[in-house]
Amino acid sequence: EPEVTQTPSHQVTQMGQEVILRCVPISNHLYFYWYRQILGQKVEFLVSFYNNEISEKSEIFDDQFSVERPDGSNFTLKIRSTKLEDSAMYFCASSGTSEQFFGPGTRLTVL
Amino acid sequence: GEDVEQSLFLSVREGDSSVINCTYTDSSSTYLYWYKQEPGAGLQLLTYIFSNMDMKQDQRLTVLLNKKDKHLSLRIADTQTGDSAIYFCAESPMNRDDKIIFGKGTRLHILP
Repeated sequence: EPEVTQTPSHQVTQMGQEVILRCVPISNHLYFYWYRQILGQKVEFLVSFYNNEISEKSEIFDDQFSVERPDGSNFTLKIRSTKLEDSAMYFCASSGTSEQFFGPGTRLTVL
Repeated sequence: GEDVEQSLFLSVREGDSSVINCTYTDSSSTYLYWYKQEPGAGLQLLTYIFSNMDMKQDQRLTVLLNKKDKHLSLRIADTQTGDSAIYFCAESPMNRDDKIIFGKGTRLHILP
């Protein structure tokens, strides 16, 4: 069964450093998303992406965040200068004609 | 704005039924979901219901929707230890590329 994959599973970084979180969506899906879940809190929408551009972004998704689909398979989330409060689990999702399928997440720890 | 509320904890004895409740605010919600998250794992879609339905049953899972009260429930029959997880209620509007709004999740604890 096709699935969304994410790498790395855990990333530790120093405050102020740039991180890139990677996702491989399901191959025939056209809609892509990033969500995050701060420990103990709800899953929050960050951004949706379709046809090589951002469809919608939340107020969390400020200028420090960017997304890219650099080739036909990867979908990345970049945080330019990480802050302590960026520590969270980041989930990628993709959808085709029905529901969104979520990846296993990348746990980002900012020290 | 859109919001989804659910209780944070539920304890149920093994073999009993679990009922997890949720309320939402967005009257334009078309899809209502239940996701399961096991420790250290991602979000697994358990089931979803369209807003024009009142009930959906899928094996041990029964979803009830009261659209007037904006109330959604998930009933798990014959609860097993493997059902121990966090259950997220979520909603999204009609468009396929719309974001999903999640509740905080209900941690289901199974008592022996």
